[in-house]
Amino acid sequence: GDSVTQMEGPVTLSEEAFLTINCTYTATGYPSLFWYVQYPGEGLQLLLKATKADDKGSNKGFEATYRKETTSFHLEKGSVQVSDSAVYFCALSVSGGYNKLIFGAGTRLAVHP
Amino acid sequence: DTGVSQNPRHKITKRGQNVTFRCDPISEHNRLYWYRQTLGQGPEFLTYFQNEAQLEKSRLLSDRFSAERPKGSFSTLEIQRTEQGDSAMYLCASSAAGGPYEQFFGPGTRLTVL
Repeated sequence: GDSVTQMEGPVTLSEEAFLTINCTYTATGYPSLFWYVQYPGEGLQLLLKATKADDKGSNKGFEATYRKETTSFHLEKGSVQVSDSAVYFCALSVSGGYNKLIFGAGTRLAVHP
Repeated sequence: DTGVSQNPRHKITKRGQNVTFRCDPISEHNRLYWYRQTLGQGPEFLTYFQNEAQLEKSRLLSDRFSAERPKGSFSTLEIQRTEQGDSAMYLCASSAAGGPYEQFFGPGTRLTVL
């Protein structure tokens, strides 16, 4: 079945460091790919998305490129801030499945000053 | 309308009791989803409504679980004869028709079964 695998956390970085969170997927169809973020005490929020191969999603300095050949959607940010500390979830949806989301286990990011 | 709301935010119950959660989606959204999230895991899909029709249910949704969306507006999720394994965060999300439009999530209802 369809699934998402993302790197385990926690990821601990100093402020202004470069961030990569790896995400790979398995899907029978042509999925859309998402990164959601959950800040402490808040609900899930969409961070960025990409709907077809080679699309790049970007928001708030974060980027991820839909790589069909490697079935990956890695999240990157050039310079993290303390306020980026949160749990990040990679997810996919397949149009034939009513667009339900299939999530990875999440990666906790802690950024220290 | 500022977003998806869920009530209650927290529920503590004893094993064997029934509980009901409510979700109020964004008003113009006709798609509504329920997910369950356990500690350290990503959300898992439970069920999907398009307007008032329940179109998909996960195998995770045992016979003790039932969901409704009367009149295609708010939705309720009921768990009968709760078990300790039902302890989790129950999330509701809504989206506009078509897709893949963004799913907007509510804050969740945290259920603790003693």
